[in-house]
Amino acid sequence: EDQVTQSPEALRLQEGESSSLNCSYTVSGLRGLFWYRQDPGKGPEFLFTLYSAGEEKEKERLKATLTKKESFLHITAPKPEDSATYLCAVSPKDQTGANNLFFGTGTRLTVIP
Amino acid sequence: ETGVTQSPTHLIKTRGQQVTLRCSSQSGHNTVSWYQQALGQGPQFIFQYYREEENGRGNFPPRFSGLQFPNYSSELNVNALELDDSALYLCASSPGPFLDYEQYFGPGTRLTVT
Repeated sequence: EDQVTQSPEALRLQEGESSSLNCSYTVSGLRGLFWYRQDPGKGPEFLFTLYSAGEEKEKERLKATLTKKESFLHITAPKPEDSATYLCAVSPKDQTGANNLFFGTGTRLTVIP
Repeated sequence: ETGVTQSPTHLIKTRGQQVTLRCSSQSGHNTVSWYQQALGQGPQFIFQYYREEENGRGNFPPRFSGLQFPNYSSELNVNALELDDSALYLCASSPGPFLDYEQYFGPGTRLTVT
């Protein structure tokens, strides 16, 4: 069964304190792994797509990496505006529809000034 | 360029009723996907429409149905509402039905079933 588990559920960081969020996944075959950011009362905002183990992508203070069983979202020197829920999702090969994504429950990040 | 819009913003319905939610795609996007997000959970894929045809469906019963119109806007219909249908319903559009196309999400419709 396709499954995505994110940890921790919640994370509080001081401004400038770097950390990593984890996404573990179990799928029959991976088409792609996605990271999204969701602010309260809003829809998810796309951050990254990763397709194969060893791949890395960066955007400002965020860097996403992928292995065969998990992905990490590294946050370097976070700022209060990085506070949000970060969602991880996978697209399994055995599902119809490219956007048939399985999401984790997210990590709620709070960055304290 | 107008982003993805959804209507209504909030809706309260009674168990057993039917509801229609609407989504306007971002300009130039021909693919729309619908997701259900329960409180404290990640979104769950309902289905995807590409050029007015359903081309992918998640694990939702047939009482969840949809339409996509020639202008690529979309509707989600839910019949025989149940209490567990209370959730945020998200619509996302993309330039095509392929994985390497970024999805743009709307702000969602909050449905409460009493």
